[in-house]
Amino acid sequence: AQSVAQPEDQVNVAEGNPLTVKCTYSVSGNPYLFWYVQYPNRGLQFLLKYITGDNLVKGSYGFEAEFNKSQTSFHLKKPSALVSDSALYFCAVRDLASGGSYIPTFGRGTSLIVHP
Amino acid sequence: DSGVTQTPKHLITATGQRVTLRCSPRSGDLSVYWYQQSLDQGLQFLIQYYNGEERAKGNILERFSAQQFPDLHSELNLSSLELGDSALYFCASSVGTGPGANVLTFGAGSRLTVL
Repeated sequence: AQSVAQPEDQVNVAEGNPLTVKCTYSVSGNPYLFWYVQYPNRGLQFLLKYITGDNLVKGSYGFEAEFNKSQTSFHLKKPSALVSDSALYFCAVRDLASGGSYIPTFGRGTSLIVHP
Repeated sequence: DSGVTQTPKHLITATGQRVTLRCSPRSGDLSVYWYQQSLDQGLQFLIQYYNGEERAKGNILERFSAQQFPDLHSELNLSSLELGDSALYFCASSVGTGPGANVLTFGAGSRLTVL
């Protein structure tokens, strides 16, 4: 089964500084990777995905992610953090479930706190 | 508003009871997914339906069941509830279920508290 790991439960960053939320993956074959964000009392929202091609993927709200095959990582980045970016971030990988469906499997999530 | 509607938003019930959570997918989406989010287990996939048929099963307990109706809305039934079933239950939808990188659209969730 495919899986992702988010090694940090929480990331703290000052507003205006660059941020990185880490994700590593374990897959057989080519990985399909995603980032989602969950704001308080809301459902998850899609940020970006990697299928193939450019290793730097641009997504919503100024976020981008860097795919690194040699390090099996897919870290989420933003050049300048905003207080409003404070939320729970989930990395996910597409996994093949019984029955032939492709299901996203999520990491445990990383809480990003941006301090004013 | 994501387009995925879940009801009820909050539900408080007692152990041993049965509840039904309802989900209406985004217009045009045929696939519905149910996830359970808890502090200790994270986001766990429960079950998926596509156009009325069950397509994939995850870590769903035998006390739980689901179905997708002809109008594509879905219901998750939780019975013989235990304290440990207290969690946030998310419904998500997508257009398809194939090998492409399907993006899921999530509802706001149903928070279940079992006392």
